[in-house]
Amino acid sequence: GESVGLHLPTLSVQEGDNSIINCAYSNSASDYFIWYKQESGKGPQFIIDIRSNMDKRQGQRVTVLLNKTVKHLSLQIAATQPGDSAVYFCAENRYAGGTSYGKLTFGQGTILTVHP
Amino acid sequence: DTAVSQTPKYLVTQMGNDKSIKCEQNLGHDTMYWYKQDSKKFLKIMFSYNNKELIINETVPNRFSPKSPDKAHLNLHINSLELGDSAVYFCASSQGLAGEGEQYFGPGTRLTVT
Repeated sequence: GESVGLHLPTLSVQEGDNSIINCAYSNSASDYFIWYKQESGKGPQFIIDIRSNMDKRQGQRVTVLLNKTVKHLSLQIAATQPGDSAVYFCAENRYAGGTSYGKLTFGQGTILTVHP
Repeated sequence: DTAVSQTPKYLVTQMGNDKSIKCEQNLGHDTMYWYKQDSKKFLKIMFSYNNKELIINETVPNRFSPKSPDKAHLNLHINSLELGDSAVYFCASSQGLAGEGEQYFGPGTRLTVT
């Protein structure tokens, strides 16, 4: 079925390294993608988003890359810090066939652990 | 100031009981959501309301009944609780209804059904 999924469920890095979290999606009709960060015991927090008419977007220490050809999304975190340790979710949005509203479908999540 | 708040934070109850979770947002957003996150961290939308009107109702059992008395509140009532209802429930809000843009999530309500 159509779904958003992640290649790696866990990722461990050393403080200061760059992290790359990957996400594959299967719905070619998806036109908007978001990355969320969820710390333990908290709700998801928006990190960065990208529309399907773009292939790269940068934020503060984060970059999202979108490859529509292979339906792949990645989140790059530069100079990873212990505070970046969390579960990271990608999510896709798709309009419901002619309606004015869409809904987010979340991927499984990747656990990022940053070691000091 | 808390943007999206939920009460209670923890809820432990027995099978067959009826319980409610309340959500409030002070961001002035038009759209509110309920999500369910299972033990494997999988996060799935349940409902979405825009200006008190239901716009998304995923295949959720009718034991779950959302109610939006005004656009700042979206409560979730669950009848005849089952073991499988145990999860963390998140409320969220956003300005638009198109699913785009940042959704602000509450801290979650951990429901345990015994």
